[in-house]
Amino acid sequence: ELKVEQNPLFLSMQEGKNYTIYCNYSTTSDRLYWYRQDPGKSLESLFVLLSNGAVKQEGRLMASLDTKARLSTLHITAAVHDLSATYFCAVVSYSGGGADGLTFGKGTHLIIQP
Amino acid sequence: GAVVSQHPSRVICKSGTSVKIECRSLDFQATTMFWYRQFPKQSLMLMATSNEGSKATYEQGVEKDKFLINHASLTLSTLTVTSAHPEDSSFYICSAGTPHSYNSPLHFGNGTRLTVT
Repeated sequence: ELKVEQNPLFLSMQEGKNYTIYCNYSTTSDRLYWYRQDPGKSLESLFVLLSNGAVKQEGRLMASLDTKARLSTLHITAAVHDLSATYFCAVVSYSGGGADGLTFGKGTHLIIQP
Repeated sequence: GAVVSQHPSRVICKSGTSVKIECRSLDFQATTMFWYRQFPKQSLMLMATSNEGSKATYEQGVEKDKFLINHASLTLSTLTVTSAHPEDSSFYICSAGTPHSYNSPLHFGNGTRLTVT
């Protein structure tokens, strides 16, 4: 059974600081996703990571994937208040190209204070 | 870009009644759609995989007779919560993908907040 563990589950940080959210998963996967969720809203796609060593950046967020360690990180650089949200990583099992449902981590509730 | 539309966004119903939630892919054909449930302050849990033209696949612990899924076309999947009870109150979210969406994000609907009184 695929398990996805995220940490920390709760993070309060000040604007301007850097921090990293970690996502470990238990079995081989060929795709890892990062999503953002604002209160009462659905999911906003941030990144899709496919291969070992993949690194993607969008603004102050950067995501990386180490398939050997089964670890992905979401790094926040110089945080701003607008980044306050809950961040989820999600993993799909190898599917041979078919579409599969996602197993989500528990989410990291991020609060960025002025 | 690809968009998934979900309707209604919010519904309140009485215990014992049934509620239908629609999930539509607006500019692409979705051979597979997924239904998730999210309880307050928790993560998303996959309920079932909806396959166009065939029976849905349910995750362990999800009652298929209670959560009826129909995927009659390549752009529409419906989830019907039958004989709803207060414990079914939750945020239901659908997502859609195709067999060739390997390197694309799975797109999520805006969710349906169900409250059963």
